[in-house]
Amino acid sequence: AQKITQTQPGMFVQEKEAVTLDCTYDTSDPSYGLFWYKQPSSGEMIFLIYQGSYDQQNATEGRYSLNFQKARKSANLVISASQLGDSAMYFCAMREPGTASKLTFGTGTRLQVTL
Amino acid sequence: SAVISQKPSRDICQRGTSLTIQCQVDSQVTMMFWYRQQPGQSLTLIATANQGSEATYESGFVIDKFPISRPNLTFSTLTVSNMSPEDSSIYLCSVEPPGQWGGEQYFGPGTRLTVT
Repeated sequence: AQKITQTQPGMFVQEKEAVTLDCTYDTSDPSYGLFWYKQPSSGEMIFLIYQGSYDQQNATEGRYSLNFQKARKSANLVISASQLGDSAMYFCAMREPGTASKLTFGTGTRLQVTL
Repeated sequence: SAVISQKPSRDICQRGTSLTIQCQVDSQVTMMFWYRQQPGQSLTLIATANQGSEATYESGFVIDKFPISRPNLTFSTLTVSNMSPEDSSIYLCSVEPPGQWGGEQYFGPGTRLTVT
């Protein structure tokens, strides 16, 4: 079974609009961490935001926020005020305890910001 | 965070040859990892590079094909041996700097490998 599921292979958003990228996860462990990374066409992986399973509030980092719904096992990334530079692949990832810091990645969503 | 560099940034290699990729970090880190990203795919962990001992490989990856060295806490190499076109991928190293709240990993810029 997929541990991390990203159901949107591609998304379009107009500049200055907000966009939500979906991520659902599967784990039976109560303690886990969720991450979002951005991968521009250059290939580097850029860490965006982290959410811990015990965190009471949704994580925020500048224009990025994480809509964490624990009961639904979803951790959607919200990008506000989209910019052309936000065009990239976005990957959701999970870390479970006892896995020696191993990250499991989803298949990614390609976001295209248009004028 | 951490500043991570990789060499080479890209290479085109002939099948049957080997390529060694270097990963350098600007600070000492315990946890260092190597990932592979095949064209159009997500990232898959190859192995965890352990300082002073053998790397820990994930299912589907073996030491003979992907030997890893970790001579100190700031440097590691990954060798892709006896290459075939199926090895064409981006190879990324990552580190988990100490003291990170969530244990997030930071990645190097990647090495784009094309095997002909």
